[in-house]
Amino acid sequence: EAQVTQNPRYLITVTGKKLTVTCSQNMNHEYMSWYRQDPGLGLRQIYYSMNVEVTDKGDVPEGYKVSRKEKRNFPLILESPSPNQTSLYFCASSPLNYNEQFFGPGTRLTVL
Amino acid sequence: GENVEQHPSTLSVQEGDSAVIKCTYSDSASNYFPWYKQELGKRPQLIIDIRSNVGEKKDQRIAVTLNKTAKHFSLHITETQPEDSAVYFCAARANTGKLIFGQGTTLQVKP
Repeated sequence: EAQVTQNPRYLITVTGKKLTVTCSQNMNHEYMSWYRQDPGLGLRQIYYSMNVEVTDKGDVPEGYKVSRKEKRNFPLILESPSPNQTSLYFCASSPLNYNEQFFGPGTRLTVL
Repeated sequence: GENVEQHPSTLSVQEGDSAVIKCTYSDSASNYFPWYKQELGKRPQLIIDIRSNVGEKKDQRIAVTLNKTAKHFSLHITETQPEDSAVYFCAARANTGKLIFGQGTTLQVKP
């Protein structure tokens, strides 16, 4: 089944404790992206990647890191999480030729 | 910088009426405009999209129109049903590949 998976789905952590949210897709998509969703602010892009070893900042990259060492994986790293990073996070992927972007199920992160 | 403005933020209609959501974008190089529907607690899913070489596209009760000169596009839902209630997001994609989303519209269809 073609899909985007994220883990964990839910995470409660404390300020400063490094964490990684994994994202994986099995559709051989070149483009992958991370968004955060907050009430009233829509979907804001954190980072995106056009292909392996190619990553770019989105609109809200501060406090986040990503890597794209393999085509299928695009992990999101929070080196030192803070409470303002409490949010719902979505990973998404698509082919490069402007087709449908598929979203993962989301990760709800709470930073205390 | 690149920006997409979406209006209204909330929309309430009676079942059977039409609903219209409008978006404007700032990057004239944008060439792909998808609309996503997000039901409560679920991920966004594509419902319709349009490319810059097309002015209008329909899919049953849903249609999207694009005015490139004015840099705006709209979602039209006719004969609304309670299951159309959700948050709708417009987006615009530039040549860089970056997809910019609007702030979302919460649509409520009252039976």
